[in-house]
Amino acid sequence: EADIYQTPRYLVIGTGKKITLECSQTMGHDKMYWYQQDPGMELHLIHYSYGVNSTEKGDLSSESTVSRIRTEHFPLTLESARPSHTSQYLCASSARGGRYEQYFGPGTRLTVT
Amino acid sequence: GQQLNQSPQSMFIQEGEDVSMNCTSSSIFNTWLWYKQDPGEGPVLLIALYKAGELTSNGRLTAQFGITRKDSFLNISASIPSDVGIYFCAGQLAGNQFYFGTGTSLTVIP
Repeated sequence: EADIYQTPRYLVIGTGKKITLECSQTMGHDKMYWYQQDPGMELHLIHYSYGVNSTEKGDLSSESTVSRIRTEHFPLTLESARPSHTSQYLCASSARGGRYEQYFGPGTRLTVT
Repeated sequence: GQQLNQSPQSMFIQEGEDVSMNCTSSSIFNTWLWYKQDPGEGPVLLIALYKAGELTSNGRLTAQFGITRKDSFLNISASIPSDVGIYFCAGQLAGNQFYFGTGTSLTVIP
């Protein structure tokens, strides 16, 4: 079982609010990722990090930002939430070398009203 | 980004039947992964494949890394109701990000 955690699991928030989605892993993985997924649809990479102080944007344009100050922590922030941000956000991690399995957290279901 | 074509898009089968699904790409991948996702949850890793031609099993699940390295297959034998969910393939280029298929939705009719 993967040791990767996301909070909150569910969040309903009003338009214009600032929010931070938390993601932590205890596997010592260097690489971490954020995906956005609409129900039953494919995953879209929005941010990734290959280590501390390293962050990159993914294929899907996103108004969110991320930071990687500690290896185990990779929070995602939306400065001003909009209804178009309503989606499921999935955090994942993988080791740098050797086996490249990617493990996912349980996700945060975000609804912006 | 890379495009992974996963088929079929959905399947409705009777309990006890075998299931096959596949993923194809125009790119050569070094790693293929197969995941199962239940509604409202994150994907759970089922099988990881690292070499062309590799065949790996996990209980009733068997997956293969295609010889051309551009495709992968997942088979589920003797399906049961708890197999219901969405199955995703994912491919990885050397050391870089993962690319996901569009998913196969599986419904098992008791």
